[in-house]
Amino acid sequence: LAKTTQPISMDSYEGQEVNITCSHNNIATNDYITWYQQFPSQGPRFIIQGYKTKVTNEVASLFIPADRKSSTLSLPRVSLSDTAVYYCLVGDNYGGSQGNLIFGKGTKLSVKP
Amino acid sequence: ETGVTQSPTHLIKTRGQQVTLRCSSQSGHNTVSWYQQALGQGPQFIFQYYREEENGRGNFPPRFSGLQFPNYSSELNVNALELDDSALYLCASKKGPGNTEAFFGQGTRLTVV
Repeated sequence: LAKTTQPISMDSYEGQEVNITCSHNNIATNDYITWYQQFPSQGPRFIIQGYKTKVTNEVASLFIPADRKSSTLSLPRVSLSDTAVYYCLVGDNYGGSQGNLIFGKGTKLSVKP
Repeated sequence: ETGVTQSPTHLIKTRGQQVTLRCSSQSGHNTVSWYQQALGQGPQFIFQYYREEENGRGNFPPRFSGLQFPNYSSELNVNALELDDSALYLCASKKGPGNTEAFFGQGTRLTVV
């Protein structure tokens, strides 16, 4: 079973900021939060990963509150090409676990012109 | 481009047949995982190979088996194909077994008729 809960779908318009929130109430101390993006008929692509507070890269920002029971992926100024399914995963990023990724159904983001 | 290549891209097999799917991992990565993705679902973990040994397995029957070679490339074998085996099969390579940053290939679309 996936250890995360996220909305099934979201709609947005080009140029808007999109925030996708993920709940992970049972996150373990060693778990990192990782987000993947998947386009139709392609493999998932790693977007961003974090442990606490805020992480930013050239693609997105990840906000993690102090209790770490949720996280928010923020996509600034989305374009049509950001239409995809976004998966939130939690897991141990060190050798303590097998590191197998547990995907839920993800959030299908549709960006409209 | 992740550097992970899978072959073939598409395949049609008959129920009861056997199939072998192949994956070349990214340079510098010693771990390969396989996932099955049914339509509209997230990828489901099949198993993982690290240094030519299986070191993790999901909830898949023994007719799903694999190999990893000294160059870290990998094969997924499925025997006695069933109609429900129709799916996108994804290979992911990682720097280590516990790592949660995985690089996925484009997948092999298997159709069982």
